[in-house]
Amino acid sequence: DAMVIQNPRYQVTQFGKPVTLSCSQTLNHNVMYWYQQKSSQAPKLLFHYYDKDFNNEADTPDNFQSRRPNTSFCFLDIRSPGLGDAAMYLCATSRGGADLYGYTFGSGTRLTVV
Amino acid sequence: QQQVKQSPQSLIVQKGGISIINCAYENTAFDYFPWYQQFPGKGPALLIAIRPDVSEKKEGRFTISFNKSAKQFSLHIMDSQPGDSATYFCAAIDRGSTLGRLYFGRGTQLTVWP
Repeated sequence: DAMVIQNPRYQVTQFGKPVTLSCSQTLNHNVMYWYQQKSSQAPKLLFHYYDKDFNNEADTPDNFQSRRPNTSFCFLDIRSPGLGDAAMYLCATSRGGADLYGYTFGSGTRLTVV
Repeated sequence: QQQVKQSPQSLIVQKGGISIINCAYENTAFDYFPWYQQFPGKGPALLIAIRPDVSEKKEGRFTISFNKSAKQFSLHIMDSQPGDSATYFCAAIDRGSTLGRLYFGRGTQLTVWP
C-alpha cells in the first residue's frame, strides 16, 4: 500500500546530541511536511518542501533543519536537542493545494531527550 | 494566533450517546474543513471533511454541521462507541494556496465509557 513511513518509531537521544528522523513516501506527492506535536497539543508545522523548494515557518528554531534528497525521502535534523524538543514528530505529504484527501500523515517518531 | 478554535478540550460520553465538538474560525479564505482522528501513538487520520457551500455532511455515525455566516462548524458522533475514544482535531485549509497548509484546532480528547 502507498503510504508515509517514519523511522524510527521511537528515538531516545542525549541532551545536545544531534539526531536525525527520517520519512519516506511511496505516494509521489509534491509536498512533504514536518510537524511537531507535544503532549495534548495540536500538531505544529515546522517546515515543508514543495518539490525541492524549502519553506521554513517563522517560529521554527534554528536548531531544526531538514533535507529532501529526492521526492521520496525527507529528513528532520535536530542539531542540539534540548529537553523541550521531546515530542512526537509527524511527517505528512500532499499533492499540494486542493487535494485534501491526499494529505497523509505517517505514524510519527516519538523523540525522548535524556 | 490560533486560526481555528476548538472546544471542549475534553469530553466524556456514555456509550450510545452523542458526542459534539465545536470549532470556529476567522479567516474567510479557508474553504475546506477536515476533521482528524488520532489514536495514541498514531498519526492523525482524516475522518470526514466539508466544503463551505454545504451545510451538513454525514458519513455513517459522523456528521459535520457547517454554519458559514457564523464561521463555525461542528462534529457530531452519533451512537458513540468505546472505540471512538481518541483525540479529534478540526482543521481548516485554504485550497487556493499551493502549500495546502492545515491549520489545526487544539484538539478534543473524547472518552466513551461503556
